[in-house]
Amino acid sequence: KNEVEQSPQNLTAQEGEFITINCSYSVGISALHWLQQHPGGGIVSLFMLSSGKKKHGRLIATINIQEKHSSLHITASHPRDSAVYICAVRSSSNYQLIWGAGTKLIIKP
Amino acid sequence: EAGVTQFPSHSVIEKGQTVTLRCDPISGHDNLYWYRRVMGKEIKFLLHFVKESKQDESGMPNNRFLAERTGGTYSTLKVQPAELEDSGVYFCASSQVRGTQETQYFGPGTRLLVL
Repeated sequence: KNEVEQSPQNLTAQEGEFITINCSYSVGISALHWLQQHPGGGIVSLFMLSSGKKKHGRLIATINIQEKHSSLHITASHPRDSAVYICAVRSSSNYQLIWGAGTKLIIKP
Repeated sequence: EAGVTQFPSHSVIEKGQTVTLRCDPISGHDNLYWYRRVMGKEIKFLLHFVKESKQDESGMPNNRFLAERTGGTYSTLKVQPAELEDSGVYFCASSQVRGTQETQYFGPGTRLLVL
């Protein structure tokens, strides 16, 4: 079992829908990252969280340290949001990034 | 400002050959990371440089992999000899830590296929 679990693995939704992607982890962390990987392969960092909530445009990321859980929300989803969304945690013991398997999101027009 | 660049974008080699991947971090970034995603699995950490020093190389799979960062600028990752299971996408990232904040900027990756 991976130390970082994401759900769902795949998600297809219609344009405009509210999207939630979940991430649970089992190790002690100093930070949690949400990243986006587009079909071309490039990875972009979206958020880095150590507590609470962050918002950037239509993207919202939350983290509950006690429950070891984070969510990434997309409001008013658009086809250009189609990508793989990856959760990665920075281990508090060795400071390495431990990666989730990613959630493949497809937004249909 | 130029982002993280990686070369080549794709490499197809035969088992037993040698391949060298290159990463040019963002200018001024002391931290440089190598990651790998093999088919169907999660991205895995390989190693971390701070300037020219290897801070953490615990993720390197075996001694067929050699990473260098001479002069603390660009880095190379050499695989010699390559095996079939080395196929995957190799990502490089760089960062500059400011206080407790660190954002890693990723390169586009090198897709390696070992036949």
